[in-house]
Amino acid sequence: KAGVTQTPRYLIKTRGQQVTLSCSPISGHRSVSWYQQTPGQGLQFLFEYFSETQRNKGNFPGRFSGRQFSNSRSEMNVSTLELGDSALYLCASSLSGGEDTEAFFGQGTRLTVV
Amino acid sequence: AQTVTQSQPEMSVQEAETVTLSCTYDTSESDYYLFWYKQPPSRQMILVIRQEAYKQQNATENRFSVNFQKAAKSFSLKISDSQLGDAAMYFCAYRSAARGGANSKLTFGKGITLSVRP
Repeated sequence: KAGVTQTPRYLIKTRGQQVTLSCSPISGHRSVSWYQQTPGQGLQFLFEYFSETQRNKGNFPGRFSGRQFSNSRSEMNVSTLELGDSALYLCASSLSGGEDTEAFFGQGTRLTVV
Repeated sequence: AQTVTQSQPEMSVQEAETVTLSCTYDTSESDYYLFWYKQPPSRQMILVIRQEAYKQQNATENRFSVNFQKAAKSFSLKISDSQLGDAAMYFCAYRSAARGGANSKLTFGKGITLSVRP
């Protein structure tokens, strides 16, 4: 059974640009969550999608957005990139996102903004 | 809002010895889940162990066990017979047990870097 796949693994962008990251969950999983990991702030929750709907949202500016497709694949978009957006972005999938299901993480996308 | 605190940024243990990683949390909820995740250099977060707050018995997974003190809001991880492959960053995490998956969000501590000396 394939795990959670995130693409690309590495990305370098310039300030002001926008970027799209992709996450393919484990087959059958309908919940996808996104986290930002930085040395200073640690791991912070961005948002969660379930059945193509955003179900939970963290405290990030509107420049961070996401969506989920009918096959449960999810994309995260960051517009008008800032230097502070440099981070490891992790995606996690679970069957339903409920309290009785385990979250499985991908290997992340390392985004560097220059 | 819930918070998770890991006050030790780094720890070191001799191979085959036992080490305990500390974690405290704050919540007003009575029902929740606690986790320890391992993040090796490959960056992929791997679930080590999970504890349901309503269970009094401490969770155990092979060489990994927890000491869950609900009243003290403490959740430490004990690694027995440490191996070189245990070297990684370890994160303590909290998740609400609210129904309907409305609270699937994981709240993480800042993590602790564990090194294992051969």
